[in-house]
Amino acid sequence: DIVMTQSPDSLAVSLGERATINCKSSQSVLYSSNNKTYLAWYQHKPGQPPKLLIYWASTRHSGVPDRFSGIGSGTDFTLTISSLQAEDVAVYYCQQYYNTPWTFGQGTKVEIK
Amino acid sequence: EVQLVESGGGLVQPGGSLRLSCAASGFTFSSYWMSWVRQAPGKGLEWVANIKYDGSAKYYVDSVKGRFTISRDNAKNSLYLQMNTLRAEDTALYYCARGTAASDYWGQGTLVTVSS
Repeated sequence: DIVMTQSPDSLAVSLGERATINCKSSQSVLYSSNNKTYLAWYQHKPGQPPKLLIYWASTRHSGVPDRFSGIGSGTDFTLTISSLQAEDVAVYYCQQYYNTPWTFGQGTKVEIK
Repeated sequence: EVQLVESGGGLVQPGGSLRLSCAASGFTFSSYWMSWVRQAPGKGLEWVANIKYDGSAKYYVDSVKGRFTISRDNAKNSLYLQMNTLRAEDTALYYCARGTAASDYWGQGTLVTVSS
């Protein structure tokens, strides 16, 4: 199974400041035949279902604010919130869908400093 | 509007069975892979199983293989998860989610509690 490891486990950022979350996979999730990276990011708030933010490592899902961005390839990935808003307080997960079982990182809790 | 509505959760004794359902609307259900994902209390997300759009391929996390069965009825726009031989560690909020790749829409979840 591909192990996904996020860092840090939690972070506190001031409103309007940048938040950066890292995710590392135990093996590459780049499928060479189509040059696509099978990596997604989700936002999960208490009492709500998870919400897809980013797929193919860097493609923003419909309706997701452009302050959210994803970058990375191979085994190392980053989700950046360029200017943290109060509504961004949540747990963020990376997930690989390169092969089954699809696996999630352990989550990163983002709070306001 | 895409909607996914789970049902069928509840309290069950260890060793018991439950069948979860997910009613889909607002999209062509038969064109999408579907998944079940769970979250145990205080824990992170865990992918459980997924099924190809026509039901011809199914995949499971190791911890549920041989105990859980994912299925679908495209005529009824419904996804199912038959859960047998339930264990305390299966206690979780179970979500159904749409997606051939990443899961782009999720239901609100149905709670399964395995306890004596």
